[in-house]
Amino acid sequence: AQKVTQAQTEISVVEKEDVTLDCVYETRDTTYYLFWYKQPPSGELVFLIRRNSFDEQNEISGRYSWNFQKSTSSFNFTITASQVVDSAVYFCALRLNSGNTPLVFGKGTRLSVIA
Amino acid sequence: DAGVTQSPTHLIKTRGQQVTLRCSPKSGHDTVSWYQQALGQGPQFIFQYYEEEERQRGNFPDRFSGHQFPNYSSELNVNALLLGDSALYLCASSSGLALETQYFGPGTRLLVL
Repeated sequence: AQKVTQAQTEISVVEKEDVTLDCVYETRDTTYYLFWYKQPPSGELVFLIRRNSFDEQNEISGRYSWNFQKSTSSFNFTITASQVVDSAVYFCALRLNSGNTPLVFGKGTRLSVIA
Repeated sequence: DAGVTQSPTHLIKTRGQQVTLRCSPKSGHDTVSWYQQALGQGPQFIFQYYEEEERQRGNFPDRFSGHQFPNYSSELNVNALLLGDSALYLCASSSGLALETQYFGPGTRLLVL
């Protein structure tokens, strides 16, 4: 069975600080996808990134960056120079690359960015 | 380009009642998945519909049922509501059964009293 663990339940940072959200996953499959979603107070899950298990290249998108390390089964997410608008719950999710398998989510990390 | 829409946004029911939630997928998408998100938890997969058939189902009782219409929109029905059914119900759409990214709607907040 697949499992996603986000050990940090809540994080508070001051605006402009960098913050890293941790994600550790478990699967016996060798091919899978990893995702990060953002959930603002409105409730809608906003897609941020999808990563194929074959692609361990780190990715940067503006102030966001992702560090995928298969050796440690981790897919961490860093926000550089955080802003108040980054305050939300962030979810890491896993989906197998076989059939129409569903997303398996972690419990989320609530990020509060204080002005 | 319209995103995923859900209705209603909020709903209050009492135990034992039945509820129907609705979802319209993002333009160009034909697959709809439903998730239940309890307070403080990550979303849990309920089931997925494609070509008007249930294709995958999570660990939810038969009280949870669904339907997909020819226009790809979908309904989630919950019978004999329990207090524990109180949650945010999220609909996600994607294209086909391939491993495309799922895009989520704003959800329906259900409160069972």
